[in-house]
This record gives sequence, structure tokens and C-alpha cells, in this order.
Amino acid sequence: DTEVTQTPKHLVMGMTNKKSLKCEQHMGHRAMYWYKQKAKKPPELMFVYSYEKLSINESVPSRFSPECPNSSLLNLHLHALQPEDSALYLCASSQVLNYVGTYEQYFGPGTRLTVT
Amino acid sequence: AQSVTQLDSHVSVSEGTPVLLRCNYSSSYSPSLFWYVQHPNKGLQLLLKYTSAATLVKGINGFEAEFKKSETSFHLTKPSAHMSDAAEYFCVVSGDTGNQFYFGTGTSLTVIP
Repeated sequence: DTEVTQTPKHLVMGMTNKKSLKCEQHMGHRAMYWYKQKAKKPPELMFVYSYEKLSINESVPSRFSPECPNSSLLNLHLHALQPEDSALYLCASSQVLNYVGTYEQYFGPGTRLTVT
Repeated sequence: AQSVTQLDSHVSVSEGTPVLLRCNYSSSYSPSLFWYVQHPNKGLQLLLKYTSAATLVKGINGFEAEFKKSETSFHLTKPSAHMSDAAEYFCVVSGDTGNQFYFGTGTSLTVIP
């Protein structure tokens, strides 16, 4: 099974709401990623977890809060978002790169987030 | 530092004609390189990867790419375009530290019937 699942598929939230995005994989991958993608642009890395520990945070605003409760799950908690945060949020997983890497990422279908 | 340049932001081909999507990379070592495809409102799907084995890499759906170190290129080709190939394509290079990947800006492929 090479599938990464993401829920929900679509989310509309107001600027005062709190919501969470969920990502799950059962490939035994120990690296998991959150990306943000605007229309017609490449994905932008937000966070990387390696062995359930946050290893990369690309200076993301604190209104985005990641969580990796176990090796299969990755959450992204959202609070007090701005309209410019509207985007496609992609989750990915891979084997951990412990040297100059050859491991590919597997992507989920994404959550389309609209902030009103 | 690693970087990727996709030389064409848009490519348009007729159905049944060859496809060429160009990618140049910059890296201080021998990187791993990947091509991903993204259909509208979908996630990214891996087409193929280069990992320092054969320089000509075959992928899914009839796509191929050739790694040319002397030219620092990793161009994606397909002999005959199909309507279903219309999508956004991303060239990606691995980082020199763990778990980082660098994306090109993407090439939008249009297939004309």
C-alpha cells in the first residue's frame, strides 16, 4: 500500500475558528511532511517530522501548529488563520534520509483550505 | 546548495507528438532527482526517479528521463503525448541534509487534440 490519506478534502473556516488537518500513512515511513501549495506554484515546505520529532520548521507562523502523535499520523492544527492562508495543503511521507538521499516522497491528495 | 530550474513554464504539444520537459539542476554532489506530475486539484504522483544507477530512467505512463551530469540536466520525455498527460510537472532534487527536497517552479503541459 503506497497511499497517503488526508482528511478532510475540503475545509472552509473563519478567521476565528480552530480546525485540524489529518494525514495518515501505513508504509512504515518515519519522515512526514506538510507543504502549502498556492495555485500555479510548487509546493512550499512547512514542516518535517523525522522519527516523530520536528526536524524542520520553515519559519511558519504560529497559527499553524503541527503534531505527530505516532509514526503513522500527522496533524496540522489551525487557529486564527488569515485569508492568505487559503491554499492546498499537502502531506507527504518518505523513508528517513540518513545520507544524501535516494528516497522518494509519497503525497496525499491534499486538503483544499479556504479561509473566509 | 541545491536548486532546480525548469526551463519552460508552459509547453503545448499535439496529441501523438513527442513531449520534452526540460530540467536543469545545481548541486554540490551527486543528487537524487525526481519528476512528479500533478493533475488539477490532486496530489503529486511520482513519475520516475534517478538514484545514481542507470542514467536513463524509465517511469510510469511511458515517460523517461536521462541524467546528464556534464550538462546538469534531467529532461523528461515521452514519445507520444496523450490527452491524459495534460497536467503540471515538477522536477525535484534531494537536499544534502536529511529529508529536504527542492522543487522546480513547474511546467504546465497542454495537449491539443
